[in-house]
Amino acid sequence: DTEVTQTPKHLVMGMTNKKSLKCEQHMGHRAMYWYKQKAKKPPELMFVYSYEKLSINESVPSRFSPECPNSSLLNLHLHALQPEDSALYLCASSQDSGTGGRYYGYTFGSGTRLTVV
Amino acid sequence: ELKVEQNPLFLSMQEGKNYTIYCNYSTTSDRLYWYRQDPGKSLESLFVLLSNGAVKQEGRLMASLDTKARLSTLHITAAVHDLSATYFCAVDDSNYQLIWGAGTKLIIKP
Repeated sequence: DTEVTQTPKHLVMGMTNKKSLKCEQHMGHRAMYWYKQKAKKPPELMFVYSYEKLSINESVPSRFSPECPNSSLLNLHLHALQPEDSALYLCASSQDSGTGGRYYGYTFGSGTRLTVV
Repeated sequence: ELKVEQNPLFLSMQEGKNYTIYCNYSTTSDRLYWYRQDPGKSLESLFVLLSNGAVKQEGRLMASLDTKARLSTLHITAAVHDLSATYFCAVDDSNYQLIWGAGTKLIIKP
């Protein structure tokens, strides 16, 4: 299995809702990432988990809360989002967040298209 | 601070023509990645370039890396419509994070 699976593919939520994005990989990768991508822009790194521990938080607002229950799963919990948070949210994984990731690259999921109304 | 510049940002070309996308980066790095993205879709890994002088080819696409010049190129040979997409280059920084170029939107007209 060489895929990163993200669910749901599309999500529409109100500003008072609580929802979660899910990401799963079975490649034995030990680093997992959340990116946010706005239209016509490159991805922006949000969080990095390395060996199930949060290693990088790129000053993301607290209304985004990541969770890594095990080495295969990564969640992003959403609460009280704003319309400007509407974007494509991409999960990625790599061998690890150090040398392995650099040598073998990063595998991206298909993304969740989030719309906040 | 590592910066990555791609050019051109937009490219419209005819089928059958050749063209090159350039990716310049500002500090020492020897790991460079090329990705393709179709509208509304995720990122597809095209090439991982790991050393100076690396050259990789897949179909009509060929990528190269010159770490001394801090330059990578993505060359398209005899373009076909199916290659229309946005192409990103990205470079590893010293903290093993990807720094992305702005992307090149490529439109290939039949």
